[in-house]
Amino acid sequence: ELKVEQNPLFLSMQEGKNYTIYCNYSTTSDRLYWYRQDPGKSLESLFVLLSNGAVKQEGRLMASLDTKARLSTLHITAAVHDLSATYFCAVDIQGAQKLVFGQGTRLTINP
Amino acid sequence: EAQVTQNPRYLITVTGKKLTVTCSQNMNHEYMSWYRQDPGLGLRQIYYSMNVEVTDKGDVPEGYKVSRKEKRNFPLILESPSPNQTSLYFCASSLGGSGKAPLHFGNGTRLTVT
Repeated sequence: ELKVEQNPLFLSMQEGKNYTIYCNYSTTSDRLYWYRQDPGKSLESLFVLLSNGAVKQEGRLMASLDTKARLSTLHITAAVHDLSATYFCAVDIQGAQKLVFGQGTRLTINP
Repeated sequence: EAQVTQNPRYLITVTGKKLTVTCSQNMNHEYMSWYRQDPGLGLRQIYYSMNVEVTDKGDVPEGYKVSRKEKRNFPLILESPSPNQTSLYFCASSLGGSGKAPLHFGNGTRLTVT
C-alpha cells in the first residue's frame, strides 16, 4: 500500500524566510502533484511533476521530484503572508485511478 | 466558467437518515472521484468513475454508494449515515484518468452526523 508522508505537518515562519516542505512516498511513481488549500476552501492545483528531476517554479514556490529517492520538495523563497495555507502533495498510483494524498502541511507566515 | 459544483455546502443530519450529496462538472471530464478529508489524514478516496456507468471503490467505500448515469453528474449517497461519516467531502474531476491531469475540486460539503 502506498504511503505518502509530509514533513513538517505544521510550520510557522516569518516573512522573508526560506523553508522547504518534504513529501516522501513508499512505492514507485513518476507523477506527483502539489495542491494548495486555503482555510474553508477547496484544493487548487499548484504543480504537476512528471519525471525524475522535474522542477517547476511559480513565483516564490518551487517544486522538485526525485523518483529514485521517492521524494518531492516544495521550497518557499522569501515567504510572504499570502502563502499561508495548507499544502498537500499527492502521488499517482499508475493503473489504480487514484491519487494518494499526504497529510498536508499547514503553513502560517507571520508578518 | 469551468467548475465542479457540489451541493449542499453544509449538512447536519441524524444517524440513519439517507442523504445525497450532488456533484456536477461542466468540463466534459471522463474521470470523477469522491474524497473525504479528515484532520491528520489528508484526503482519502471513497469512489471513482472512469465514465458513464463505470464506477469503482476507492480506499474507504464502506457506507457509501455512487452512480454515474450522466457524464456530468456523480452523486454520493449515504444510505444510513453514521457519526463516523462526519467529515469534509470533496468531489473532483479530471480529463482522462486520475493522474493524467490535475484534479479539479468542488468547494466541499461539510457533513455532520449526530
